[in-house]
Amino acid sequence: KAGVTQTPRYLIKTRGQQVTLSCSPISGHRSVSWYQQTPGQGLQFLFEYFSETQRNKGNFPGRFSGRQFSNSRSEMNVSTLELGDSALYLCASKVAGGNYQETQYFGPGTRLLVL
Amino acid sequence: AQSVAQPEDQVNVAEGNPLTVKCTYSVSGNPYLFWYVQYPNRGLQFLLKYITGDNLVKGSYGFEAEFNKSQTSFHLKKPSALVSDSALYFCAVRDEGGSYIPTFGRGTSLIVHP
Repeated sequence: KAGVTQTPRYLIKTRGQQVTLSCSPISGHRSVSWYQQTPGQGLQFLFEYFSETQRNKGNFPGRFSGRQFSNSRSEMNVSTLELGDSALYLCASKVAGGNYQETQYFGPGTRLLVL
Repeated sequence: AQSVAQPEDQVNVAEGNPLTVKCTYSVSGNPYLFWYVQYPNRGLQFLLKYITGDNLVKGSYGFEAEFNKSQTSFHLKKPSALVSDSALYFCAVRDEGGSYIPTFGRGTSLIVHP
């Protein structure tokens, strides 16, 4: 079974631009979460989608948004990019939500550099 | 509120020696604990998890972790380290009755010297 895939793997943008990242979960997984990883802040939760609905949201400004499609693929968008948005963006999927025991499986990430 | 701490930013060990990466947690209810490993420029890979039952959990690549409720710890261990084990290790926790979103530690860089 294929793992979580993320595209693109690397991205360079300039301040003020916007960016869209894509995530395809493991087949059969309906929950997709997004994380931002930086050396200073570690892994920070952005949001989770399940059945095309956002179920949880982290403490990020409204410039960060996401959506999920009927095939469970998810996209996240960052508008008006700032230098501090440079990070590794990780997507994780699991079968469903509402289960404390379930394991999340991560994709390889998208490395975003904002100049 | 759930929280997790990895008290060591870096652990150094010689190849062939046993390794331990420490993790302590704080929860209100029952904990669900996870270990992940991250190699350079890669995402996190799942190693093992503790849900309930036996306190010693065995996982991938020869790793194991011991759940200690009284010390609220979930240390990752391996009897004999390999150079290829060098990576960043993350501990994560969910608190039963709390958020389904796991809280991750800051990560511990494991360096195995030849």
